Order: sequence, then structure tokens, then C-alpha cells
Amino acid sequence: QLVESGGGLGQPGGSLRLSCAASGFSFSSYAMSWVRRAPEKGLEGVAVIGASGDSSYYVDSVKGRFTISRDNSKNTLYLQMNSLRVEDMATYYCAKPIWGLVIDALDVWGQGTVVTVSS
Amino acid sequence: EVVMTQSPVTLSVSPGESATLSCRASQSISTNLAWYQLKLGQAPRLLIYGASTRATGIPARFSGSRSGTEFTLTISSLQSEDFALYYCQQYNTWATFGGGTKVEIK
Repeated sequence: QLVESGGGLGQPGGSLRLSCAASGFSFSSYAMSWVRRAPEKGLEGVAVIGASGDSSYYVDSVKGRFTISRDNSKNTLYLQMNSLRVEDMATYYCAKPIWGLVIDALDVWGQGTVVTVSS
Repeated sequence: EVVMTQSPVTLSVSPGESATLSCRASQSISTNLAWYQLKLGQAPRLLIYGASTRATGIPARFSGSRSGTEFTLTISSLQSEDFALYYCQQYNTWATFGGGTKVEIK
């Protein structure tokens, strides 16, 4: 199970930190992803982190602004979102890869947390 | 970046009928293709991975196929709970998703 939190209203240029609490699987053995869906738009992979946290990858539109991290001792995934833009407004999902790989199908998803960016 | 193109954008189907959803990749992705169902307010649900393997617990009325870079999700005998958004995703390289198909009640 994956449960996201931390969404809400952020100002343009501001920051938000999303969290995703994992349970029911060996969290430290799996890479983890953040995926978002903007209103009336499709899904977009935002960031991925390797199982140990040593490697991370980002979609070009968030590079330098977002940071994905994890605390395997707490079974928790994070997404630090800085320099927020209106186009970052979306429902953010954390997701687990089916075979644990950085690039993989995603078989467990959270219900999402909504990020609104507005002044 | 691999671009995934889904068609149609909207599919109107009567309950009990079949639905055929298409997804085209801009380059070869082998069978690294997944299909997801999304209902607003719910967690997305993995239906198919490896282009044609049903995920755990997915009913047999959902099936996936591949022809080159063209992929198809077929839902036979649509049930009321099947009316939703559907997305394809390639995971051959950095994962990218199609624009989605909305399956609505006709």
C-alpha cells in the first residue's frame, strides 16, 4: 500500500514537500517513482529513485527544481518541490515498479495528493 | 523521448459490447508496454504489462496485443466498472505515457 501526503496550495516560486508511506512490501528492495496528472491531461513520469537512493532521474521540466529522496528506515518516499510553477499543478502519485527496476511497469499506486499552484 | 500516441481520445460503447483501444510508439519498444485504468479519486490500476500479460487480479476480459510498434487493449463485454480512463505506458527507456482514452457509456 502507498499513501501520499503533503499536497496543498503552493505559491508560484514556492515549495512543497510530498511524502509517500509504503507498507506491505520490502520497500528498500524497490526503485520508486512519482507520476503526476495535470487537470484534463495525461499521466507524466516526474522522478524515479533507485532502491538504495544512490541514483535518481527526472523529467526535463522539473530538473533542478524537484528532488526525489527516500528513507528506507521509515519506508517513506519524498518529493521536494521548489520553484513551483503553475504547470506543476497536478495530482501526484507515488508508484512501485512491478520488478523493482528504475524503468518498469508500475503495479502499486497511491491514491494521489493534489498540488495546487496559485498566488 | 519515445512518444506514445493513443486513439481514439474518446470511445463510446454500450455495456456488454467490446472496446478496442490503440497505442502507437514512435520507435521500437519491444514488449515493454503497460496499460493502466484510471478512475478519478482512485489509485491507477495496472491492467497489462509486457504488452500482453494480465496483472494480478485482472479479469480475463482484458487482453493486450502487439504488432510492431502498435499495441492494442481489448475489453470484451464491457461491465459498468470498466467505464474509465485508460493509459498506455512504455518502459523501454524513460517511461512515457500516452494521452489516454476515455471509455464512456454510449
